Amino acid sequence: AQSVTQPDIHITVSEGASLELRCNYSYGATPYLFWYVQSPGQGLQLLLKYFSGDTLVQGIKGFEAEFKRSQSSFNLRKPSVHWSDAAEYFCAVGAAAGNNRKLIWGLGTSLAVNP
Amino acid sequence: EPEVTQTPSHQVTQMGQEVILRCVPISNHLYFYWYRQILGQKVEFLVSFYNNEISEKSEIFDDQFSVERPDGSNFTLKIRSTKLEDSAMYFCASSGTSGSWVGEQFFGPGTRLTVL
Repeated sequence: AQSVTQPDIHITVSEGASLELRCNYSYGATPYLFWYVQSPGQGLQLLLKYFSGDTLVQGIKGFEAEFKRSQSSFNLRKPSVHWSDAAEYFCAVGAAAGNNRKLIWGLGTSLAVNP
Repeated sequence: EPEVTQTPSHQVTQMGQEVILRCVPISNHLYFYWYRQILGQKVEFLVSFYNNEISEKSEIFDDQFSVERPDGSNFTLKIRSTKLEDSAMYFCASSGTSGSWVGEQFFGPGTRLTVL
C-alpha cells in the first residue's frame, strides 16, 4: 500500500540549532517526493521536490532534503533554524507518470522554535 | 506571482445542506485537485480533474461530492448533503502547463468547512 510516515509528530528546537525531519515512504512505482510547509492560517507551500538525479535537493528558505532509496527515506534538514520556521511540515509522495497525480501525505510534523 | 485562490475562507453550514467551495486555479494550469484535512489528521486526496473530466477520485469522493469547471477560471467542489464528518479544511490545487511536468501542485489557502 502507498503510504508516507513522519515518525515525529512534534519537534522543538532552539533557534540556531540544526533540524532534521524524518520521512519514510512506501510506494509501488517510481515516486516523486515533496516537502510542503504550512504556517498557521496559511496554505501549503512547496519547500522542495525530488524527481530524479542528484539525491540531495535544495529548497527554499535554506532547507535541503536527501533521497535515500535503500532506506525509502526523504529527510528534510536545515543547518540553522530561525524562529520563522515554526510551522507544520508535510512530506508527500506522488506518481511519476500518468494523468493521476494525487499526492499521498504524511501526518505532518509540527515544529516549534525556542528563542 | 500567480497563485491559487479559494473562497470562502470559512463556511459554516447545517447538516444536510449543500455547499459549494470555489477555487480559481493558476490560469494556464491543466490539472486540478481537491484535498481535505480533517483537524489533526493527514491531508487526504479527494479528486483530480483533467481535460474536463475526473481523472481519479478517492473512496471519500462518493455520490455526495461533485466537481465542476463551469468556466475557464473556476473549479468548484460541491457537497450535496453535508454531514458532520465533512467538517475539514478543503484545499484546492493546480498543476501542469502544456508540455511541462505536471507533478508540482500549487495549493490555495484552503476553505475551512464547519458542519453543525
